[in-house]
Amino acid sequence: SQTIHQWPATLVQPVGSPLSLECTVEGTSNPNLYWYRQAAGRGLQLLFYSVGIGQISSEVPQNLSASRPQDRQFILSSKKLLLSDSGFYLCAWSQTGMQFFGPGTRLTVL
Amino acid sequence: AQSVTQLDSQVPVFEEAPVELRCNYSSSVSVYLFWYVQYPNQGLQLLLKYLSGSTLVESINGFEAEFNKSQTSFHLRKPSVHISDTAEYFCAVSERGYQKVTFGTGTKLQVIP
Repeated sequence: SQTIHQWPATLVQPVGSPLSLECTVEGTSNPNLYWYRQAAGRGLQLLFYSVGIGQISSEVPQNLSASRPQDRQFILSSKKLLLSDSGFYLCAWSQTGMQFFGPGTRLTVL
Repeated sequence: AQSVTQLDSQVPVFEEAPVELRCNYSSSVSVYLFWYVQYPNQGLQLLLKYLSGSTLVESINGFEAEFNKSQTSFHLRKPSVHISDTAEYFCAVSERGYQKVTFGTGTKLQVIP
């Protein structure tokens, strides 16, 4: 069966510091991968999606970037965090239109 | 472009009472429809899905949703809620053959003992 992992589970970072969040999927090959952000009191915002290694599509302009160095690995990064980057970050993979989510990373930028 | 509307941001309901969470979507092509549930500080879990076939779909914990093409709706219902159903529920739509899913803004279901 397929599983999706995210780490870390929680993270507190100062403004201006770098960020690296990792997501890995097991039990499937060549999945479509997604990064979402969920800010307090708001819905899900799609940040990036990838249909293959090295193929990244950005949905919103921001100071975040994504990379897919391996088939089942998806990384979300930032060189300098902003206060507005705080939120709950969710990774997902998809199959037949359905998306399956990881446990999420709670990021607090102070 | 596809879109999803969940008009109710919060729905309080007494335990053992029925509940309906509303979802309307907009799309010019055939769609897949989903309901996800999110418990505090957790990821989203797929609750039920409509891909094709019967327009009434059910989950293992008593929820059901009916795809109504003429009204472009996919409302979620449960005849008797439990405290454990307290969570946020997201409706989502995906156009067939398209890679992205569009989510509604979510409805917080609060079950009152």
